[in-house]
Amino acid sequence: DTEVTQTPKHLVMGMTNKKSLKCEQHMGHRAMYWYKQKAKKPPELMFVYSYEKLSINESVPSRFSPECPNSSLLNLHLHALQPEDSALYLCASSQAIDRASDGYTFGSGTRLTVV
Amino acid sequence: RKEVEQDPGPFNVPEGATVAFNCTYSNSASQSFFWYRQDCRKEPKLLMSVYSSGNEDGRFTAQLNRASQYISLLIRDSKLSDSATYLCVVNLGAQKLVFGQGTRLTINP
Repeated sequence: DTEVTQTPKHLVMGMTNKKSLKCEQHMGHRAMYWYKQKAKKPPELMFVYSYEKLSINESVPSRFSPECPNSSLLNLHLHALQPEDSALYLCASSQAIDRASDGYTFGSGTRLTVV
Repeated sequence: RKEVEQDPGPFNVPEGATVAFNCTYSNSASQSFFWYRQDCRKEPKLLMSVYSSGNEDGRFTAQLNRASQYISLLIRDSKLSDSATYLCVVNLGAQKLVFGQGTRLTINP
């Protein structure tokens, strides 16, 4: 199994809603990541988890709350989002953060629209 | 200065042509380098890692020049299916990959 699975694929939510994005991998990877990608822009790093611990938060607003329940799962909890948060949210994983020679495997993303 | 810079294109080339992209990076301590491909409304997919000695995978050749801090990607005998955005990616070794803005390539029949 060489996939990173993200659900849901599409999500429309209101600004007062609470929702969660889910990401799962079964490749034994110990580093997992959340990226945000706006149209015609490159992915931008949001969070890094290493061995189930948050190791990087790129100054992301608190309305985004990551969670890593175990080594295979990564969630992103959303609350009180703004329309400008609409984007493609990508989850990725890699062997480990100290394996600099490894690239990432990305999930297919969740396309989020905030209305 | 951006950490990773690419010519955004677009590059429009005929099928069968050879096309090359370059990318420069600013952090001399960068540890590893990659080219990713991203199709419209899809996730980025690893195309190839880039090594100092240069490496080849079929029609694709990647080169790294650490002294000048640039990497390149050469596509020979281009196919219609090569149309995509090509992202230059640098691992800073600080637990994160940094993406260039991407180069958009269209192969025309």
